[in-house]
Amino acid sequence: EAEVAQSPRYKITEKSQAVAFWCDPISGHATLYWYRQILGQGPELLVQFQDESVVDDSQLPKDRFSAERLKGVDSTLKIQPAELGDSAMYLCASSLAGDRTDTQYFGPGTRLTVL
Amino acid sequence: DAKTTQPNSMESNEEEPVHLPCNHSTISGTDYIHWYRQLPSQGPEYVIHGLTSNVNNRMASLAIAEDRKSSTLILHRATLRDAAVYYCILVGSNYKLTFGKGTLLTVNP
Repeated sequence: EAEVAQSPRYKITEKSQAVAFWCDPISGHATLYWYRQILGQGPELLVQFQDESVVDDSQLPKDRFSAERLKGVDSTLKIQPAELGDSAMYLCASSLAGDRTDTQYFGPGTRLTVL
Repeated sequence: DAKTTQPNSMESNEEEPVHLPCNHSTISGTDYIHWYRQLPSQGPEYVIHGLTSNVNNRMASLAIAEDRKSSTLILHRATLRDAAVYYCILVGSNYKLTFGKGTLLTVNP
């Protein structure tokens, strides 16, 4: 069964450093999502792509976070500079069409610890 | 986005049925009801979704109240692998999944 791949699985960094996370969605999935999940809470959507275009980044802290999906396939989420409050699980998901009946498939996530 | 209310936690015994409730009194006519679950140290996984009629799949059943203001996810025979956080989510015209805190299901052997 096809899966969403993410790397790295774990990342420890010091505050003010730059970090980057990579996501490879299921082949053929046009919609890609990045979520952040703080311990004890549900995931929160940061950014949504339809192919290579951003369709929603209203919750993305744009002063330090950036996301791209240049060829409409894999995607990178970057944080620069990292802050202590960025410690969380970063989840990538993909879906075929992004409509209200669609199923989102999640990757295993990248656990970020900022020291 | 319309909100959902779920119990913080529930407990069940292995091989017994589990009924996980969700209230969504402000649901709109076109909102779909989705359920996802998240096993420890994993990303969420899709369980089931429905609009008005009850739905069944290999993982679970979804019972939707006639007025659509509540729904119940039914696991017919809980196993230890079903221990997870279960999220009830309304998906409307913006097509977004807005996760709450969900219900932590503990399954006792």
